[in-house]
Amino acid sequence: AQKVTQAQTEISVVEKEDVTLDCVYETRDTTYYLFWYKQPPSGELVFLIRRNSFDEQNEISGRYSWNFQKSTSSFNFTITASQVVDSAVYFCALGRNYGGSQGNLIFGKGTKLSVKP
Amino acid sequence: GAVVSQHPSRVICKSGTSVKIECRSLDFQATTMFWYRQFPKQSLMLMATSNEGSKATYEQGVEKDKFLINHASLTLSTLTVTSAHPEDSSFYICSARDQGEGGIGPLHFGNGTRLTVT
Repeated sequence: AQKVTQAQTEISVVEKEDVTLDCVYETRDTTYYLFWYKQPPSGELVFLIRRNSFDEQNEISGRYSWNFQKSTSSFNFTITASQVVDSAVYFCALGRNYGGSQGNLIFGKGTKLSVKP
Repeated sequence: GAVVSQHPSRVICKSGTSVKIECRSLDFQATTMFWYRQFPKQSLMLMATSNEGSKATYEQGVEKDKFLINHASLTLSTLTVTSAHPEDSSFYICSARDQGEGGIGPLHFGNGTRLTVT
């Protein structure tokens, strides 16, 4: 079964704090994709990152970093020096690999991040 | 970057009427689009997969006669909520993948449509 678990429902931090959003996934597929999306209060979903299951390298993009650990089936997302504009709901998602093309995404329930000034 | 335009962003309709939601890929072609539904403070649930030129594939529990999907071109998919009822009130989001990325690119999402049925 495919499943994504985001155990943290809501997190509240003060501006400039670092925050890590957890994501644990379950899949029987040997190849798959993992994603993070941001959903601000306006509702649209903003793509942040995609990671292929073959690539366990951690990635950093500005204040964002991602830690992919296949051994623990986790794909955690860290925001360094958080800002008020980071306030949003963040979704982790799992995508299957159908011979190189993906099917739909399976989303976690999301973590609502509130960054207070 | 790839842009998906969804229209309308908000719609209020009376119970029993039908509502059409459009999803367009503006700068890429998409043979496949996905329609999701999101209840307040909940995750996105896939409703159906829209395939250009063929019938949509619906997820279990989704009524295909109620949620009509038409994917007539490589840049447009429509979702029609027929005979809407208050329980259909929700946030509907479409997504698409650029077929030019060989089917391995990320999904790009529209801004969503908030449907309220009174």
